This record gives sequence, C-alpha cells and structure tokens, in this order.
Amino acid sequence: GNSVTQMEGPVTLSEEAFLTINCTYTATGYPSLFWYVQYPGEGLQLLLKATKADDKGSNKGFEATYRKETTSFHLEKGSVQVSDSAVYFCALTLLNNNDMRFGAGTRLTVKP
Amino acid sequence: KAGVTQTPRYLIKTRGQQVTLSCSPISGHRSVSWYQQTPGQGLQFLFEYFSETQRNKGNFPGRFSGRQFSNSRSEMNVSTLELGDSALYLCASRFRTSGASTDTQYFGPGTRLTVL
Repeated sequence: GNSVTQMEGPVTLSEEAFLTINCTYTATGYPSLFWYVQYPGEGLQLLLKATKADDKGSNKGFEATYRKETTSFHLEKGSVQVSDSAVYFCALTLLNNNDMRFGAGTRLTVKP
Repeated sequence: KAGVTQTPRYLIKTRGQQVTLSCSPISGHRSVSWYQQTPGQGLQFLFEYFSETQRNKGNFPGRFSGRQFSNSRSEMNVSTLELGDSALYLCASRFRTSGASTDTQYFGPGTRLTVL
C-alpha cells in the first residue's frame, strides 16, 4: 500500500540553525509528494510539492527534492526562524486518487 | 481568491448526539475531501465527494457520512457520537473535472469537535 514515514519529533533548534526533516515513502505507482505545515490552532497549509523524480519544490526558504532512487523527499531549510515553529507533514497522493497519505508529523520548535 | 472555509470552528457535543459540519471549497474546485486528525491516529482520510457523489472512502464506520451539493459545498455528518470521535476535522478541496484532476489539495482551518 501507499504510506509515508517521516522523522519522529519533536525537533528543537536554535534560530539560524540548519533544518532537515526526513521523509520516505512507499507507493504503488508514481506519486506526487508534498510538505504541509500546520501552525497552532490552524489547518494545513501547502508548503511545497514535487510531481516527478528530481523535481525540487521550494517555498519560503524550504526545499525538498523528489528522489525516486531512495524514495525520499527530505525537507531542508538553511536558516530557521522562530516563526517556523509548527508541525510539518510529509504526504503523498496518486493522481486521480484522492486518498492522500500523511506521515505522522514532526513538531519543530525554534528557540531565539 | 477565498480559501476553503469550514463552519463551525469549534463544537462541543455529548455522547450519542449527532453533528453536521460544513465545508465550502475554493471557487472552481469541485472535489471536496474530509480528513480526521487525532493525536493518536494522525491524519486519516474519510471520504471524497465530486459532482455530488462519493468517489472514495476511507476506513471509517457508517456513522460517518457526507454529501455534496450542486454548488460543491459539502457537509459531513457523524451520528451517535462516541468519545473517540473528538478530533479536528479538516476539509480539503481541489480542482477536478470528469476527465482531469490536480493532485494539490488545499485545506480549510478545520472544525474542532469535542465529545463529552
């Protein structure tokens, strides 16, 4: 079946530190991959996406590259800010199949 | 363009009652999906509606049902509420026609349901 495994949290970093949150997937077929972010008390916001191998999604300083050979989509940011504190979800979906599968979420706390 | 809206944002019910949640998708989006988010189970897919028909369904009991109206707005109903139904219920919309769809879903802020 289709599933996503992401790094267990919580992750605590100091401001301006480098961030990596690992995400690997299992899928029958060719999935699209996503990172969503959830701030306290809110719904999920799309952070970035990639739809084919070697695509790099980027937004707000975050990046992730679709690696088919390692079935991974790790999230990175070079210098985190306090405002990046949130829960990050890796997700996949197959086109025309709306059953989006999410990882368990990784809580990131950035301290000043 | 306005985002996905959900009402109400917060709801408190007691066991055995039923509840109806509402979702208005982004203008032009005809597919609406519902998800349940709990600390223990994470995010789980409930069902998807497109053109007023349920297209996909997750692994939830029949107490969970939904419908979609001709303007693409959707409602989700939970009957005979149990304590374990306490969760954040998220609605997501995407562009979809009978012949094509996009994979990107846009989520609403959610309805937090508490069952006492």
